Amino acid sequence: GAVVSQHPSWVICKSGTSVKIECRSLDFQATTMFWYRQFPKQSLMLMATSNEGSKATYEQGVEKDKFLINHASLTLSTLTVTSAHPEDSSFYICSARGQVVAGANVLTFGAGSRLTVL
Amino acid sequence: GIQVEQSPPDLILQEGANSTLRCNFSDSVNNLQWFHQNPWGQLINLFYIPSGTKQNGRLSATTVATERYSLLYISSSQTTDSGVYFCAVVSGGTSYGKLTFGQGTILTVHP
Repeated sequence: GAVVSQHPSWVICKSGTSVKIECRSLDFQATTMFWYRQFPKQSLMLMATSNEGSKATYEQGVEKDKFLINHASLTLSTLTVTSAHPEDSSFYICSARGQVVAGANVLTFGAGSRLTVL
Repeated sequence: GIQVEQSPPDLILQEGANSTLRCNFSDSVNNLQWFHQNPWGQLINLFYIPSGTKQNGRLSATTVATERYSLLYISSSQTTDSGVYFCAVVSGGTSYGKLTFGQGTILTVHP
């Protein structure tokens, strides 16, 4: 159980276009999902918290108009990178609470989506 | 915000060797997880361990919350253990999902 699926795994796009990444919880409902970004050879940085039925909460320094997040259902959150530029090339990973262990929330991560903007 | 430091940054082992990875954090935590990121980028949750000791096969972890550190032990390492190991925490008062990650330890196990 507790599987988070991301699609696509890889995407290459031209500069100026928009790209949508989907994050699905396959066997559980997730009222909250989290989007992280990882640049090559670096750690993961939280971008935003996606809340089902309400606006996302963005971390400081993340442009909400550039990274559009929609959480329309209890099993799906989407991240749209609008007007993508080469500096947006990165590995984007989503996560959701998949398990409750000893009364605490354990996060499960998707496999990630690698975006390359030419 | 909370600071998370991992050491060593890089570790090279021969197959069969044992190793210890360390994670220091600057404030009290509600959640601490160890992850293994494989070469394809997938993060695998190894342990949820805000305190105490846990073991899972060749891996074990210990968190001493009062001294603000956690250790991940890998015994009899295998080439498939290669990858990046991350420690991530949620500090007190922060939403459970807002993990702060350390910079990771890159482990390479040679046959």
